[in-house]
Amino acid sequence: QSVLTQPPSVSGAPGQRVTISCTGSSSNIGAGYDVHWYQQLPGAAPKLLIYGNNNRPSGVPDRFSGSKSGTSASLAITGLQAEDEADYYCQSYDSSLSALYVFGTGTKVSVL
Amino acid sequence: EVQLVESGGGLVQPGGSLRLSCAASGFTFSSYAMTWVRQAPGKGLEWVSRISATDGSTHYADSVKGRFIISRDNSRNTLYLQMNSLRAEDTAMYYCARLILGSGWFDPWGQGTLVTVSS
Repeated sequence: QSVLTQPPSVSGAPGQRVTISCTGSSSNIGAGYDVHWYQQLPGAAPKLLIYGNNNRPSGVPDRFSGSKSGTSASLAITGLQAEDEADYYCQSYDSSLSALYVFGTGTKVSVL
Repeated sequence: EVQLVESGGGLVQPGGSLRLSCAASGFTFSSYAMTWVRQAPGKGLEWVSRISATDGSTHYADSVKGRFIISRDNSRNTLYLQMNSLRAEDTAMYYCARLILGSGWFDPWGQGTLVTVSS
């Protein structure tokens, strides 16, 4: 069960900037745990996009950036490109008893 | 190259069992905690289970606790998920992933293996 809330979809024209929010609670993001982001292209496995709130793994374009504040986090994509059309998920650690790791509900990014 | 390759998925009847495997290569398998994450058709990601690198301690999501067992064989660089008492709602793509730091992130992910529970 998803514990982190994301908008179902966002869209933008090529070259535009889009942002995806990720809202948690006091047992995960609000407790100070880091937020990580994954990109899932159609028919593929998820791939790490941002780790530790705002760090990009090697090979991830600097068009992708992350931030965190309070019980929320966000992913920004600047200079939107056609190949960015995918599902995006946030993830954090959770100190409640039901699950150690929680994911966001997922956001479909469409390039108009 | 760091790589994870899952196998063992398939069609199983409700109440049945299945064992998934995840073969790791390109890194020191015994030094990392490992996890299983699943994704029901058309749905989001759900963390299933974690096994530590050192003492083999395990954790499970409430949805699978008491039915699934995670294990590892460091001599074979392989992670396992024994799935018992399977239900229709366990139908999903199952991914294994390496866990980076205890409260951290998953990287990389395998390509996934599909489990379908149906009569």
